[in-house]
Amino acid sequence: NAGVTQTPKFQVLKTGQSMTLQCAQDMNHEYMSWYRQDPGMGLRLIHYSVGAGITDQGEVPNGYNVSRSTTEDFPLRLLSAAPSQTSVYFCASSYTQGANQQYFGPGTRLTVT
Amino acid sequence: AQKVTQAQTEISVVEKEDVTLDCVYETRDTTYYLFWYKQPPSGELVFLIRRNSFDEQNEISGRYSWNFQKSTSSFNFTITASQVVDSAVYFCALSEGDNYGQNFVFGPGTRLSVLP
Repeated sequence: NAGVTQTPKFQVLKTGQSMTLQCAQDMNHEYMSWYRQDPGMGLRLIHYSVGAGITDQGEVPNGYNVSRSTTEDFPLRLLSAAPSQTSVYFCASSYTQGANQQYFGPGTRLTVT
Repeated sequence: AQKVTQAQTEISVVEKEDVTLDCVYETRDTTYYLFWYKQPPSGELVFLIRRNSFDEQNEISGRYSWNFQKSTSSFNFTITASQVVDSAVYFCALSEGDNYGQNFVFGPGTRLSVLP
């Protein structure tokens, strides 16, 4: 099993550009989520999905879109990048929400200039 | 609303010292789950332990131990005889029962530096 994979590992964007962060898992997990990690703030939930075709907003959803067309993939789209979106982004998956540990991808370090 | 507090921002110890990382949580649910994750300098997040709200038994795994006390809403993590490889950021997290979605909350993390 590859577990949770994320691409790219690093990305630099200019303000206003758009891009998609890719996330895939091969563990047949129903629950997937995206977090951003900023210094001193832990991880904050951006969006999550409880299954294919179902997504919802987390704590900090503004400026991001997601979709879940398959169980395996959960891409995160930045519509118009802003310097405030400079962060490390983690994708995670688990069997269900709540009780189960989340498996995290290696992260994507995004810089917006 | 659920909340996790890790009051220690940074801790430095010398190798072989014992160190305790504090975690205090807030929740209104009677069913919840507590987690600890380790983030070494390489950046990945490593799962350490999960504890559910109905199991207050302390747990020991090698040099790691966890003390769960519902009376004080705390889930503290102790490393015995610390080693340089324990240097990392440690996150405590709380998940409330089976609520849909917005239920996994992380604390701000504690950066542990173990000096040789």
